[in-house]
Amino acid sequence: DAGITQSPRHKVTETGTPVTLRCHQTENHRYMYWYRQDPGHGLRLIHYSYGVKDTDKGEVSDGYSVSRSKTEDFLLTLESATSSQTSVYFCAIRNILVREDTQYFGPGTRLTVL
Amino acid sequence: RKEVEQDPGPFNVPEGATVAFNCTYSNSASQSFFWYRQDCRKEPKLLMSVYSSGNEDGRFTAQLNRASQYISLLIRDSKLSDSATYLCVVGGSQGNLIFGKGTKLSVKP
Repeated sequence: DAGITQSPRHKVTETGTPVTLRCHQTENHRYMYWYRQDPGHGLRLIHYSYGVKDTDKGEVSDGYSVSRSKTEDFLLTLESATSSQTSVYFCAIRNILVREDTQYFGPGTRLTVL
Repeated sequence: RKEVEQDPGPFNVPEGATVAFNCTYSNSASQSFFWYRQDCRKEPKLLMSVYSSGNEDGRFTAQLNRASQYISLLIRDSKLSDSATYLCVVGGSQGNLIFGKGTKLSVKP
């Protein structure tokens, strides 16, 4: 258990509305990531953060923005949701302190955009 | 060529069977390799890292062939609880992970 929570866990919204997803970690990890998972695709990177106020784009960043004002929280915002953003969103932390320098995932948020 | 490719399955096997999953990756500069497991409607969870020398964890054995850019996972003596989707994962240049689409395994009694 990497101490990662995501909120909300489920959300249904309408096209054109803003949506913010929250990822919260309790273990002070520097690196945090947002991925989306869709049928027929592997998980794809949206944005990532390498420290407070330090973020960068991933493979599928269009239509998304992120913010990280404190170590424990990484927010993903859909400024104006579209149906193509219906997906499962996973947050991950990277633990560089173990032999397996890899990532551990939160439980996910299921977002439906009508 | 996709970055990480795996056979989508499904693999339907009886309990006790040995099953092998294969995966290829496109970036020869990749340095880290993993297998994750994902249960239905759950998050991916690290199953094991894959090292050049090969590594084993109980019933699970992972192999890496850098020359062929090929990764494998062998599961011996399959259990019902092994039913899941197995994700082949390669480390990316942004410190991210690049995922295959996954191979679904169903172990039957």
